[in-house]
Amino acid sequence: NAGVTQTPKFRVLKTGQSMTLLCAQDMNHEYMYWYRQDPGMGLRLIHYSVGEGTTAKGEVPDGYNVSRLKKQNFLLGLESAAPSQTSVYFCASSYWPFGLAESSYNEQFFGPGTRLTVL
Amino acid sequence: EDKVVQSPLSLVVHEGDTVTLNCSYEVTNFRSLLWYKQEKKAPTFLFMLTSSGIEKKSGRLSSILDKKELFSILNITATQTGDSAVYLCACGLTGGGNKLTFGTGTQLKVEL
Repeated sequence: NAGVTQTPKFRVLKTGQSMTLLCAQDMNHEYMYWYRQDPGMGLRLIHYSVGEGTTAKGEVPDGYNVSRLKKQNFLLGLESAAPSQTSVYFCASSYWPFGLAESSYNEQFFGPGTRLTVL
Repeated sequence: EDKVVQSPLSLVVHEGDTVTLNCSYEVTNFRSLLWYKQEKKAPTFLFMLTSSGIEKKSGRLSSILDKKELFSILNITATQTGDSAVYLCACGLTGGGNKLTFGTGTQLKVEL
């Protein structure tokens, strides 16, 4: 199992350009998440999905869009990149919690990250 | 607004030392507290705590939760250079989405 994978690993954009980050998981997880990590800020949730065809806003959704057309993939889009979006982006996935042991709730599995620089 | 605060922000120790990392929280829909280790790339899961006073151990690492005082500690004994990492604390929330709220992390450096 590859777990959670992200492409690309690195990207440099100019202000105003667009791009899509791809997250894929092979663990048959229902839930998927996009975070950004900035120095001194910890991980902040951008958007998440509780199943194929669903998306919801997290803590910092402005300037980003997402889509979950297939259960295994979660795409993060930047329509018009800004320098403030320079960050490291992490994707994560987790189990559907119902019917599982208490210890399985909330654990999320992370991808290796994408380092994005917007000039 | 939910808050997860970790302390110290960073520390440097020598191999063999014991360290204690702290995590306090104020969240409205608390279910669990999780610890992750982040070495360069993806955070990797260490512990999940849901009950007060029950210590969880894995080798030289241990953690405990106090739901009355709203904090958790992560202990690392006999530290090694391989323990150098950022340690993240997160609160797992009830409600839809199985979401986590993260602290800013503690940067630990273990020197020879």
